[in-house]
Amino acid sequence: ELKVEQNPLFLSMQEGKNYTIYCNYSTTSDRLYWYRQDPGKSLESLFVLLSNGAVKQEGRLMASLDTKARLSTLHITAAVHDLSATYFCAVGRNRDDKIIFGKGTRLHILP
Amino acid sequence: KAGVTQTPRYLIKTRGQQVTLSCSPISGHRSVSWYQQTPGQGLQFLFEYFSETQRNKGNFPGRFSGRQFSNSRSEMNVSTLELGDSALYLCASSLGLAEYNEQFFGPGTRLTVL
Repeated sequence: ELKVEQNPLFLSMQEGKNYTIYCNYSTTSDRLYWYRQDPGKSLESLFVLLSNGAVKQEGRLMASLDTKARLSTLHITAAVHDLSATYFCAVGRNRDDKIIFGKGTRLHILP
Repeated sequence: KAGVTQTPRYLIKTRGQQVTLSCSPISGHRSVSWYQQTPGQGLQFLFEYFSETQRNKGNFPGRFSGRQFSNSRSEMNVSTLELGDSALYLCASSLGLAEYNEQFFGPGTRLTVL
C-alpha cells in the first residue's frame, strides 16, 4: 500500500530563515506533487516531479526528488510571511489519477 | 479557460440525510477525482471517474458513491449522513491520459453534518 509521510507536521520559523520539509513514500511512484493550501481554500499546485534527480524552483521554493531513497524535499529560502500555508506532498502513478497525500506541513512564518 | 467548479460551496445537513455534490471539470478533461479532507484524516482519495466509468476507488464505505455523465460532469452522493462525514470535499479534473497529466482542483464543497 502506498503511504506518504511528511515531516515536520508543524513548523514555525522566522522570516529570512531557510528550512526544508521532507516527504517519504513507501513504494514506487511515477510522480511526486507538492501543493499549497491556504486556510479555507483549495489546493494550488506548486511542483510536479517526474524523474529521479528532478529539481524545480519557483521563487523561494525549491523541490527535489530522489526516487531511489523515495524522498522528496521542499526547501524554503529566506522565508517571507506570504509563504505561511499548509504544504502537502502527494504521490501518484501513471496508470490512473489516484493521488495519495501526506498529512501536510503547517508552516507559520513569523515576521 | 474556466477552472473546475463545484456546487454547492457550502452545505448543512443533518444525520441520516443524503447529499449530492456536483463537479464540473475543465473543458476537455475526461477524468474527475474526488477527495475528502478532514482535520483528523487529512486528504483522502474517494474515487476517480474517466469516460463515465469508475476507474479507481478509495477505502470508503458504500454510502459514498459517484457517477460521471457524458459531458464529464460528475456527482458524488453520500447517503445516511454521519457526523464524521463533515468535511471539505474536493474534486479534481485532468485529461485522464495514460501518461502523466496535471490535475486541477476545484474550490471544494464544505459539508457540515449536524
